[in-house]
Amino acid sequence: DAGVIQSPRHEVTEMGQEVTLRCKPISGHDYLFWYRQTMMRGLELLIYFNNNVPIDDSGMPEDRFSAKMPNASFSTLKIQPSEPRDSAVYFCASSLWAGRSTDTQYFGPGTRLTVL
Amino acid sequence: QQQVKQSPQSLIVQKGGISIINCAYENTAFDYFPWYQQFPGKGPALLIAIRPDVSEKKEGRFTISFNKSAKQFSLHIMDSQPGDSATYFCAVSFSGGKLIFGQGTELSVKP
Repeated sequence: DAGVIQSPRHEVTEMGQEVTLRCKPISGHDYLFWYRQTMMRGLELLIYFNNNVPIDDSGMPEDRFSAKMPNASFSTLKIQPSEPRDSAVYFCASSLWAGRSTDTQYFGPGTRLTVL
Repeated sequence: QQQVKQSPQSLIVQKGGISIINCAYENTAFDYFPWYQQFPGKGPALLIAIRPDVSEKKEGRFTISFNKSAKQFSLHIMDSQPGDSATYFCAVSFSGGKLIFGQGTELSVKP
């Protein structure tokens, strides 16, 4: 398996622009997670899905952020409008169904976002 | 509030030495305690994990020690190697798979 796939790997944009990050989870995994990593705040969970349904979006920082999972093999995280403080590495992760806390989360390589 | 506190923030160890990273948590409802390893430019990857009904788990050179009464757990890396140089994150989890990560420890193993 190719693992979790994220695109783009790097994104540089200007403040006010819309940014869309993409994720393809591991086939057969029914849980998908979006994280943000910064030096100041570490790894933060933004939102996660189970069977394409958002379960917990309490980590989404504000209304400028939105996430969708239209099918089992694709998810997007959108920031509109983007701001310099959104600059971070965004990770997508997936895990098998069952919802047990022991399920391993497999992380993608991340998207490094820079907002100028 | 910070639900899991990790220390130290950075650690330098000589090759062959023991690396020790500590984490403390607040909520006794957490039921799974994994450690993730992250190399530069990569996503975190599960290294080793423990459940609260066990006090120690060992996998090769990596050991988790768990103290339920103190609400603390630690990662020990025996015979540390330069290839172990990475950032290590402890995490805590409720049933449902939601992970809460510590702030991370940047480990550097000097040859």
